[in-house]
Amino acid sequence: QKEVEQNSGPLSVPEGAIASLNCTYSDRGSQSFFWYRQYSGKSPELIMSIYSNGDKEDGRFTAQLNKASQYVSLLIRDSQPSDSATYLCAVGAGGTSYGKLTFGQGTILTVHP
Amino acid sequence: SAVISQKPSRDICQRGTSLTIQCQVDSQVTMMFWYRQQPGQSLTLIATANQGSEATYESGFVIDKFPISRPNLTFSTLTVSNMSPEDSSIYLCSVEPYTGVFGYTFGSGTRLTVV
Repeated sequence: QKEVEQNSGPLSVPEGAIASLNCTYSDRGSQSFFWYRQYSGKSPELIMSIYSNGDKEDGRFTAQLNKASQYVSLLIRDSQPSDSATYLCAVGAGGTSYGKLTFGQGTILTVHP
Repeated sequence: SAVISQKPSRDICQRGTSLTIQCQVDSQVTMMFWYRQQPGQSLTLIATANQGSEATYESGFVIDKFPISRPNLTFSTLTVSNMSPEDSSIYLCSVEPYTGVFGYTFGSGTRLTVV
Protein backbone atom coordinates (compact mmCIF):
# COMPACT_ATOMS: atom_id res chain seq x y z
CA GLN A 1 0.00 0.00 0.00
CA LYS A 2 1.35 3.37 -1.00
CA GLU A 3 1.90 5.61 1.99
CA VAL A 4 2.76 9.23 2.50
CA GLU A 5 3.82 10.33 5.96
CA GLN A 6 4.20 13.88 7.18
CA ASN A 7 5.93 15.13 10.29
CA SER A 8 3.50 15.22 13.12
CA GLY A 9 2.18 18.57 14.15
CA PRO A 10 1.00 20.91 15.03
CA LEU A 11 3.95 23.11 14.19
CA SER A 12 4.16 26.54 15.72
CA VAL A 13 6.67 29.18 14.60
CA PRO A 14 7.03 32.89 15.29
CA GLU A 15 6.35 35.40 12.59
CA GLY A 16 9.40 35.89 10.38
CA ALA A 17 10.87 32.48 11.13
CA ILE A 18 11.40 29.57 8.75
CA ALA A 19 8.82 26.80 8.87
CA SER A 20 10.02 23.37 7.82
CA LEU A 21 7.57 20.70 6.74
CA ASN A 22 8.65 17.17 5.90
CA CYS A 23 7.19 14.26 4.04
CA THR A 24 8.30 10.71 3.21
CA TYR A 25 6.72 8.35 0.75
CA SER A 26 6.87 4.61 0.22
CA ASP A 27 6.38 4.15 -3.54
CA ARG A 28 9.72 4.42 -5.37
CA GLY A 29 7.84 4.71 -8.66
CA SER A 30 6.35 8.06 -7.66
CA GLN A 31 7.06 10.75 -10.21
CA SER A 32 5.46 13.97 -9.03
CA PHE A 33 5.29 15.69 -5.70
CA PHE A 34 3.08 18.50 -4.51
CA TRP A 35 2.47 20.68 -1.53
CA TYR A 36 -1.02 21.99 -0.90
CA ARG A 37 -2.21 24.52 1.63
CA GLN A 38 -5.68 24.10 3.08
CA TYR A 39 -7.35 26.72 5.18
CA SER A 40 -10.11 25.57 7.50
CA GLY A 41 -13.32 25.03 5.57
CA LYS A 42 -11.63 25.53 2.21
CA SER A 43 -10.40 23.22 -0.51
CA PRO A 44 -6.68 22.50 -0.99
CA GLU A 45 -4.68 25.11 -2.87
CA LEU A 46 -1.57 24.08 -4.81
CA ILE A 47 1.50 26.00 -3.68
CA MET A 48 4.42 23.95 -5.01
CA SER A 49 5.09 21.10 -7.39
CA ILE A 50 8.42 19.36 -7.90
CA TYR A 51 9.48 16.55 -10.18
CA SER A 52 13.29 16.38 -10.09
CA ASN A 53 15.81 15.95 -7.31
CA GLY A 54 16.99 19.17 -5.77
CA ASP A 55 15.44 22.44 -4.76
CA LYS A 56 12.71 24.50 -6.36
CA GLU A 57 12.04 28.00 -5.15
CA ASP A 58 8.96 30.14 -5.62
CA GLY A 59 8.88 33.32 -3.62
CA ARG A 60 9.02 32.47 0.07
CA PHE A 61 8.52 28.76 -0.61
CA THR A 62 11.21 26.19 -1.35
CA ALA A 63 10.45 22.57 -2.10
CA GLN A 64 13.22 19.99 -1.78
CA LEU A 65 13.11 16.50 -3.27
CA ASN A 66 15.42 13.56 -2.63
CA LYS A 67 14.17 10.52 -4.47
CA ALA A 68 16.91 8.25 -3.15
CA SER A 69 15.75 8.97 0.39
CA GLN A 70 12.09 9.15 -0.69
CA TYR A 71 11.83 12.47 1.01
CA VAL A 72 10.25 15.79 0.11
CA SER A 73 10.14 18.94 2.18
CA LEU A 74 8.73 22.44 2.11
CA LEU A 75 10.43 25.46 3.63
CA ILE A 76 8.49 28.64 4.21
CA ARG A 77 10.73 31.64 4.79
CA ASP A 78 9.64 34.79 6.59
CA SER A 79 6.53 33.03 7.86
CA GLN A 80 3.43 35.17 8.17
CA PRO A 81 0.29 34.67 10.25
CA SER A 82 -1.56 34.22 6.95
CA ASP A 83 0.53 31.07 6.38
CA SER A 84 -1.31 29.42 9.27
CA ALA A 85 -3.07 26.47 7.67
CA THR A 86 -2.85 22.72 7.17
CA TYR A 87 -0.16 21.73 4.69
CA LEU A 88 -0.73 18.57 2.70
CA CYS A 89 1.99 16.61 0.96
CA ALA A 90 0.75 14.74 -2.10
CA VAL A 91 2.60 12.20 -4.20
CA GLY A 92 1.67 11.35 -7.76
CA ALA A 93 2.02 7.89 -9.22
CA GLY A 94 3.41 7.13 -12.64
CA GLY A 95 2.57 4.76 -15.43
CA THR A 96 -1.02 3.59 -15.60
CA SER A 97 -1.73 5.34 -12.30
CA TYR A 98 -0.72 8.73 -13.68
CA GLY A 99 -2.65 11.55 -12.09
CA LYS A 100 -3.63 9.70 -8.95
CA LEU A 101 -2.46 11.49 -5.83
CA THR A 102 -1.83 9.97 -2.43
CA PHE A 103 -1.99 12.51 0.35
CA GLY A 104 -0.28 12.64 3.69
CA GLN A 105 -2.28 13.28 6.81
CA GLY A 106 -1.35 16.96 6.84
CA THR A 107 0.64 19.18 9.18
CA ILE A 108 -1.07 22.04 10.94
CA LEU A 109 1.11 25.15 10.93
CA THR A 110 0.49 28.09 13.22
CA VAL A 111 2.47 31.29 12.78
CA HIS A 112 2.13 33.50 15.82
CA PRO A 113 2.85 37.23 15.83
CA SER B 1 -5.21 27.81 -13.95
CA ALA B 2 -8.47 25.99 -14.59
CA VAL B 3 -11.59 27.23 -12.82
CA ILE B 4 -13.66 24.44 -11.34
CA SER B 5 -17.25 25.00 -10.28
CA GLN B 6 -18.69 22.43 -7.96
CA LYS B 7 -22.33 22.17 -6.93
CA PRO B 8 -23.88 22.00 -4.44
CA SER B 9 -21.45 23.58 -2.01
CA ARG B 10 -23.13 21.87 0.90
CA ASP B 11 -26.15 19.75 1.65
CA ILE B 12 -27.82 17.95 4.50
CA CYS B 13 -29.42 14.71 3.41
CA GLN B 14 -31.50 11.99 4.97
CA ARG B 15 -30.00 8.54 5.27
CA GLY B 16 -30.98 6.19 2.50
CA THR B 17 -31.23 8.94 -0.11
CA SER B 18 -28.79 9.86 -2.89
CA LEU B 19 -27.02 13.08 -3.80
CA THR B 20 -25.46 13.98 -7.12
CA ILE B 21 -22.52 16.37 -7.10
CA GLN B 22 -21.62 18.27 -10.25
CA CYS B 23 -18.18 19.42 -11.35
CA GLN B 24 -17.81 21.86 -14.24
CA VAL B 25 -14.41 22.95 -15.61
CA ASP B 26 -13.85 26.02 -17.76
CA SER B 27 -11.52 24.15 -20.11
CA GLN B 28 -11.31 20.70 -21.60
CA VAL B 29 -9.43 18.16 -19.51
CA THR B 30 -8.74 14.50 -20.11
CA MET B 31 -8.90 13.23 -16.57
CA MET B 32 -11.08 14.28 -13.68
CA PHE B 33 -10.62 12.93 -10.19
CA TRP B 34 -13.01 12.62 -7.28
CA TYR B 35 -11.74 12.75 -3.72
CA ARG B 36 -13.29 12.40 -0.29
CA GLN B 37 -12.13 14.20 2.83
CA GLN B 38 -13.68 12.82 5.96
CA PRO B 39 -13.88 15.06 9.03
CA GLY B 40 -10.42 15.83 10.37
CA GLN B 41 -8.78 13.60 7.78
CA SER B 42 -6.76 14.01 4.63
CA LEU B 43 -7.94 13.40 1.09
CA THR B 44 -8.61 9.95 -0.33
CA LEU B 45 -9.04 9.30 -4.04
CA ILE B 46 -12.40 7.74 -4.89
CA ALA B 47 -12.13 7.33 -8.65
CA THR B 48 -10.76 8.66 -11.91
CA ALA B 49 -13.22 9.73 -14.59
CA ASN B 50 -12.16 9.79 -18.22
CA GLN B 51 -14.47 10.91 -20.98
CA GLY B 52 -15.79 8.04 -23.05
CA SER B 53 -14.85 5.26 -20.67
CA GLU B 54 -15.95 3.79 -17.38
CA ALA B 55 -14.60 5.41 -14.25
CA THR B 56 -11.87 3.50 -12.44
CA TYR B 57 -12.37 3.12 -8.72
CA GLU B 58 -9.82 2.88 -5.95
CA SER B 59 -9.78 0.10 -3.41
CA GLY B 60 -12.67 0.45 -1.01
CA PHE B 61 -14.92 2.35 -3.42
CA VAL B 62 -17.47 0.72 -5.71
CA ILE B 63 -19.56 1.90 -8.61
CA ASP B 64 -22.88 0.98 -6.99
CA LYS B 65 -22.16 3.32 -4.11
CA PHE B 66 -20.43 6.10 -6.05
CA PRO B 67 -21.62 6.08 -9.68
CA ILE B 68 -19.80 8.60 -11.84
CA SER B 69 -20.69 10.14 -15.18
CA ARG B 70 -18.33 11.90 -17.57
CA PRO B 71 -20.37 12.96 -20.60
CA ASN B 72 -17.81 15.40 -22.02
CA LEU B 73 -14.39 16.92 -21.45
CA THR B 74 -15.58 19.68 -19.12
CA PHE B 75 -18.15 18.02 -16.86
CA SER B 76 -18.53 15.14 -14.42
CA THR B 77 -20.92 14.05 -11.72
CA LEU B 78 -20.45 11.90 -8.64
CA THR B 79 -23.47 10.37 -6.96
CA VAL B 80 -23.34 9.25 -3.35
CA SER B 81 -25.99 6.54 -3.16
CA ASN B 82 -28.00 5.10 -0.29
CA MET B 83 -26.29 7.43 2.12
CA SER B 84 -25.45 6.73 5.72
CA PRO B 85 -23.94 9.05 8.35
CA GLU B 86 -20.52 7.55 7.55
CA ASP B 87 -20.74 9.26 4.13
CA SER B 88 -20.64 12.67 5.79
CA SER B 89 -17.55 14.19 4.22
CA ILE B 90 -16.31 16.82 1.87
CA TYR B 91 -16.28 15.62 -1.72
CA LEU B 92 -13.89 17.32 -4.13
CA CYS B 93 -13.22 17.08 -7.81
CA SER B 94 -9.79 17.74 -9.23
CA VAL B 95 -8.22 18.25 -12.65
CA GLU B 96 -4.84 18.87 -14.16
CA PRO B 97 -5.21 22.01 -16.25
CA TYR B 98 -3.61 22.40 -19.66
CA THR B 99 -2.15 25.77 -18.84
CA GLY B 100 1.48 24.92 -18.21
CA VAL B 101 0.87 25.03 -14.50
CA PHE B 102 2.01 21.66 -13.28
CA GLY B 103 -0.23 20.39 -10.60
CA TYR B 104 -3.76 19.49 -9.82
CA THR B 105 -6.47 22.01 -9.07
CA PHE B 106 -9.37 21.31 -6.77
CA GLY B 107 -12.94 22.50 -6.86
CA SER B 108 -14.40 24.27 -3.87
CA GLY B 109 -15.86 21.03 -2.56
CA THR B 110 -19.25 19.76 -1.46
CA ARG B 111 -19.77 19.45 2.27
CA LEU B 112 -22.22 16.61 2.80
CA THR B 113 -23.90 15.86 6.09
CA VAL B 114 -26.08 12.75 6.35
CA VAL B 115 -28.57 12.65 9.19
